[in-house]
Amino acid sequence: GIQVEQSPPDLILQEGANSTLRCNFSDSVNNLQWFHQNPWGQLINLFYIPSGTKQNGRLSATTVATERYSLLYISSSQTTDSGVYFCAVLRGFGNEKLTFGTGTRLTIIP
Amino acid sequence: NAGVTQTPKFQVLKTGQSMTLQCAQDMNHNSMYWYRQDPGMGLRLIYYSASEGTTDKGEVPNGYNVSRLNKREFSLRLESAAPSQTSVYFCASSEMGQWSYEQYFGPGTRLTVT
Repeated sequence: GIQVEQSPPDLILQEGANSTLRCNFSDSVNNLQWFHQNPWGQLINLFYIPSGTKQNGRLSATTVATERYSLLYISSSQTTDSGVYFCAVLRGFGNEKLTFGTGTRLTIIP
Repeated sequence: NAGVTQTPKFQVLKTGQSMTLQCAQDMNHNSMYWYRQDPGMGLRLIYYSASEGTTDKGEVPNGYNVSRLNKREFSLRLESAAPSQTSVYFCASSEMGQWSYEQYFGPGTRLTVT
C-alpha cells in the first residue's frame, strides 16, 4: 500500500516562530488532507489540497503532486497551535480509504 | 449542522464484554468510516461503507463488525472485547464530489478494555 511519512516527528518552538511540516507519499494520490489534532483529541480539518497552494489565516499548504510531497506552513505560532498535525492521502477514484501519516507533534512554548 | 456525532464519548469494558459504538452524520454523505487511533500513532481504518447497504474491511478489521443502518448511521460492534482493542475510535464521513473527497471526523470514543 501507499506509504505516508511526515517530518519532523516532534517540533518545539517559541510562540511567534514560524514552522514548516512536511508530508511525503510513495505513490500518486487524488486527495490529500491536513488535520490538526488538538490536545483534547479532536481532529480538525485544515486543508483539502491534492495539488497547488491554499492559505487560511496564518496557515498555508502546498502540495506538489508530481514530486509526491506536501508542506504545511504555520506562521507566527500561538500556543493554541500545539497538538499533532497529520496528513492523509487517498489513492484513486473509487477508493475513498485515507491513509494517514504518523504525524508531527508540535509544541508551542509561551 | 451537527456534522458527525458519536456515542458514547467514553467507555470502560471488561475483557469479553460486548458493546456497540454509534455514529451518525447529517451531511447526506454516502461514505462512512470507522478508524482507531492507538497512543502516539496515526489513524488506521477498521471498516468503511461506500454507500447504504455496503460495507468493506479496512486495514485492521479483526474483532469488529459493522452495520450501515441507513444513510445517516454506521455502527461498530465489539463482540468480545480484548485489551488490545483499548483505543480511541473515530467515525468519519465523506462524499465523493466532483471536486472534493474531503473526510469529516467525529469527536471520538475513548474505549478502555481491562
